[in-house]
Amino acid sequence: GAVVSQHPSWVICKSGTSVKIECRSLDFQATTMFWYRQFPKQSLMLMATSNEGSKATYEQGVEKDKFLINHASLTLSTLTVTSAHPEDSSFYICSATTSSGEWGEQFFGPGTRLTVL
Amino acid sequence: GQNIDQPTEMTATEGAIVQINCTYQTSGFNGLFWYQQHAGEAPTFLSYNVLDGLEEKGRFSSFLSRSKGYSYLLLKELQMKDSASYLCAVRDSNYQLIWGAGTKLIIKP
Repeated sequence: GAVVSQHPSWVICKSGTSVKIECRSLDFQATTMFWYRQFPKQSLMLMATSNEGSKATYEQGVEKDKFLINHASLTLSTLTVTSAHPEDSSFYICSATTSSGEWGEQFFGPGTRLTVL
Repeated sequence: GQNIDQPTEMTATEGAIVQINCTYQTSGFNGLFWYQQHAGEAPTFLSYNVLDGLEEKGRFSSFLSRSKGYSYLLLKELQMKDSASYLCAVRDSNYQLIWGAGTKLIIKP
């Protein structure tokens, strides 16, 4: 149980275009979803936290107009990287928590590797 | 500020035991997590400690001392597939997860 999927698993796009990444909890309703980015050989950097039906809470330094997060339902959150630039190339990972989780642990999706040319 | 320290890299031999340490300084404490992350993949949950002591789960055990701000992950009977990064994360008083940079564990035959 507690499976999280992400789509696409990898994407290559041209500079200036927008990219949407979907995160779904497949067998549970997610109370909260998180979006992270991770650069090579570095740890996870939390970008934002979102709850269904409410605006995402962005971490300091993360541009909310550039990284649009929509949490439309208890099983789906999307991250849209608008006007992507090469410096946005990274590994983007979503995670979710569920009220049935014993310790509030986060369940991670498989990640999306974004390359902006 | 909030800080979590782990060694950057460790090397161990197949079949042996390795201990990965994590020290933390956070505003409040509401539990400590260990995650495993294979290269190019997302993290997977390994263990959770909120009270002092040792939690054992098969080949993996995790220890916590809240007074010392210290935890370790103990891996026994190491296998090649245990080669991965191990992330320590602490949940602070605001229930925010503070992540360590991770320890890359290299297993040699």
